[in-house]
Amino acid sequence: GNSVTQMEGPVTLSEEAFLTINCTYTATGYPSLFWYVQYPGEGLQLLLKATKADDKGSNKGFEATYRKETTSFHLEKGSVQVSDSAVYFCALRGDTGRRALTFGSGTRLQVQP
Amino acid sequence: DADVTQTPRNRITKTGKRIMLECSQTKGHDRMYWYRQDPGLGLQLIYYSFDVKDINKGEISDGYSVSRQAQAKFSLSLESAIPNQTALYFCATSDSGLVSGGNYNEQFFGPGTRLTVL
Repeated sequence: GNSVTQMEGPVTLSEEAFLTINCTYTATGYPSLFWYVQYPGEGLQLLLKATKADDKGSNKGFEATYRKETTSFHLEKGSVQVSDSAVYFCALRGDTGRRALTFGSGTRLQVQP
Repeated sequence: DADVTQTPRNRITKTGKRIMLECSQTKGHDRMYWYRQDPGLGLQLIYYSFDVKDINKGEISDGYSVSRQAQAKFSLSLESAIPNQTALYFCATSDSGLVSGGNYNEQFFGPGTRLTVL
């Protein structure tokens, strides 16, 4: 079955530091890949997505590239802000069947001023 | 107003009680989902519904039941709550694209219901 593995947190960074959150997946075929963000006390929001190999999703300064050869979709941001503090979830949607999203366990990011 | 609403937002109950969590959406989406979130485990799918007459079990459906009363409403029931069902529960919706031709990939989440079973 499909699965998503992402690095454990928390990740603690100073403001303006470079961020990488690793995500790898296992799936057959050509899944779509997503990053969701959950701010404190809120539901999940879609941050970015990529639907085919070598696509780069980007939003709010965050980027992730769909790497089929390494089955990865790492999230990066060049300069984090305190307001980026949240929990980040990597997820995939398979290209067959009728399943919903498969989520990773989430990585908490804490950005200090 | 929020597009996906959940009620209640917080609930404390006792073992053995029947609990219903409700979800409503104004997005006009045909697909709705229930997830639970436990610390360190991400989100796990409980049930999903692709339309009013199409309801499917997810990864962890045991101990739960659902009802899709209308396209806009999808409720989750715990018939006899137990302490290990203490978690954060999220409802989500998506558009299959079959009618709208829109983006069928994105799911939109409600704010969550925090359930504590004592």
